[in-house]
Amino acid sequence: DAKTTQPPSMDCAEGRAANLPCNHSTISGNEYVYWYRQIHSQGPQYIIHGLKNNETNEMASLIITEDRKSSTLILPHATLRDTAVYYCIATNNNDMRFGAGTRLTVKP
Amino acid sequence: GAVVSQHPSRVICKSGTSVKIECRSLDFQATTMFWYRQFPKKSLMLMATSNEGSKATYEQGVEKDKFLINHASLTLSTLTVTSAHPEDSSFYICSASPTRSYEQYFGPGTRLTVT
Repeated sequence: DAKTTQPPSMDCAEGRAANLPCNHSTISGNEYVYWYRQIHSQGPQYIIHGLKNNETNEMASLIITEDRKSSTLILPHATLRDTAVYYCIATNNNDMRFGAGTRLTVKP
Repeated sequence: GAVVSQHPSRVICKSGTSVKIECRSLDFQATTMFWYRQFPKKSLMLMATSNEGSKATYEQGVEKDKFLINHASLTLSTLTVTSAHPEDSSFYICSASPTRSYEQYFGPGTRLTVT
């Protein structure tokens, strides 16, 4: 699995877009980028994943740079319930190995 | 979406006893299940990969004789913490991957406290 680097913490105002960056400069061609989040004392929740193209679902959008060395998870209208630790994982198999993640705090 | 359950959600046991944690995939079959451990304010650490009908694969530094994993069916994996000690107190989380899929779904976790 490629190493990923994320900022340890970020704040976002409620109702605004939250943009969470992830660096995966050593990603290989067949590794997907996955995003999970973990709300306090719960199991991780799948958000989105992608390979090359940008992806969007009901929870978020994933923007992957053309060289695939970095990506951004976008929560378009953050709510207080989006406060969580967000993990970016680059892998080509199904054993997810978690880094430290980004602690996102959404503030009123 | 796919649902993974864990039982119990929290358990307190005395030092030296064994504790079994169950992980079930409720609406799909899972050839592969994973067990993680998470200490306070830390990230999840993969402990082992459990494949139905075969022996689990343990990560480096995880004692296979202490953390017994059984994956006897396509919907159930169990983790038994044997001779538990206070340092085994942690949040244990399982995940399951549907057959022929790379998606993973996580259980709600089991908080183990060893006194």
